[in-house]
Amino acid sequence: DVKVTQSSRYLVKRTGEKVFLECVQDMDHENMFWYRQDPGLGLRLIYFSYDVKMKEKGDIPEGYSVSREKKERFSLILESASTNQTSMYLCASSSPSGGSYEQYFGPGTRLTVT
Amino acid sequence: DAKTTQPPSMDCAEGRAANLPCNHSTISGNEYVYWYRQIHSQGPQYIIHGLKNNETNEMASLIITEDRKSSTLILPHATLRDTAVYYCIVTHFGNEKLTFGTGTRLTIIP
Repeated sequence: DVKVTQSSRYLVKRTGEKVFLECVQDMDHENMFWYRQDPGLGLRLIYFSYDVKMKEKGDIPEGYSVSREKKERFSLILESASTNQTSMYLCASSSPSGGSYEQYFGPGTRLTVT
Repeated sequence: DAKTTQPPSMDCAEGRAANLPCNHSTISGNEYVYWYRQIHSQGPQYIIHGLKNNETNEMASLIITEDRKSSTLILPHATLRDTAVYYCIVTHFGNEKLTFGTGTRLTIIP
């Protein structure tokens, strides 16, 4: 089974802190994604990556950056956390080789910025 | 990508078929319909996708109308574990940028 893991289920940080959210997948997938999920807004794509060291902005990249140094790992970075970044963060991976482009999601990290 | 419209919530009795509708009247000829679901406190899970023919897998069936302007996801024998938010997404095949709306919150009633 595909497994996507995220470094923490719950995280509490202070305003202005630099925050790293880590995501690892074990299926050699080319594509990886970061979403945030807020009540009433659904899931919104922050960044995605098609390959190592490649990244593209999603719908809401402001205030975030990403890093993909290895194929299995995709990191989301909040350079200076703010309270409006309190949210559930979800990582996903996929591979075009399977033909269906289905995305496999991790369990999520609930980040609270105080 | 075409916009989708889903009812915000639905109930279904345990053991009955759950039929979840989705309207996508602006769908274009090469756009697919995907369904995902999200059980509480978990990440979304892929269920099924289709272009114009009806599709079935071990989880569900997808019925797409002939004009492709709407579709229905069918869970044939709903169980309590099917309680979740169900998302209908329309996108071009191979487009990795999925747009999740707010979905339908399905509650299975014992």
